[in-house]
Amino acid sequence: DIVMTQTPSSQAVSAGEKVTMSCKSSQSLLYNENKKNYLAWYQQKPGQSPKLLIYWASTRESGVPDRFIGSGSGTDFTLTISSVQAEDLAVYYCQQYYNFPTFGGGTKLELK
Amino acid sequence: EVQLVETGGGLVQPGRSLKLSCVASGFTFSSYWMYWIRQAPGKGLEWVSSINTDGGSTYYPDSVKGRFTISRDNAENTVYLQMNSLRSEDTATYYCAKMHYGSYGVMDAWGQGASVTVSS
Repeated sequence: DIVMTQTPSSQAVSAGEKVTMSCKSSQSLLYNENKKNYLAWYQQKPGQSPKLLIYWASTRESGVPDRFIGSGSGTDFTLTISSVQAEDLAVYYCQQYYNFPTFGGGTKLELK
Repeated sequence: EVQLVETGGGLVQPGRSLKLSCVASGFTFSSYWMYWIRQAPGKGLEWVSSINTDGGSTYYPDSVKGRFTISRDNAENTVYLQMNSLRSEDTATYYCAKMHYGSYGVMDAWGQGASVTVSS
């Protein structure tokens, strides 16, 4: 199984701040034939179901604000929120789909 | 609008069975792989099962293999999860999710979840 490790596990932020969170995989998620990274990011707000934000490591899902930016390749990936809004307080999960899906442990964004 | 509605959750004793259903609407159900993902109380997400478009191929992690069975009825736009020999560690909210078009393994719509508690 591919193990996904997210850091930090929680982060206190202020509105307007730039935030970055990390996701590392135990093996490369880059498929050489199509040069795509099989990595997605989800947002889960309290009491809600997860919501897809980004796939192929950097492609935003339709309707997702452009302050959410996915980057990285191979085994190291980052989700950046360029200017955090109050509605962004949530847990963020990365997920690989190179093999059977596995998720990271999540990064919880809290208010400072 | 895509909608996924899970039903069938509840309290069940260890060793017993439970069957979850997920009714889909707002998309061509028969064209998409479907998934079950669970989340134990206060914990992260765990993939539980996948099924291809015609139901001919199914996949499970070792944690549920041999105990859980995913199936689908394309005429009824419904995906099921039959859970047998339930254990306390199966206690979780179970979500069904839809495959993102062109991206096997990406889940672009999720249901509200069905709560399953395994306890005597």
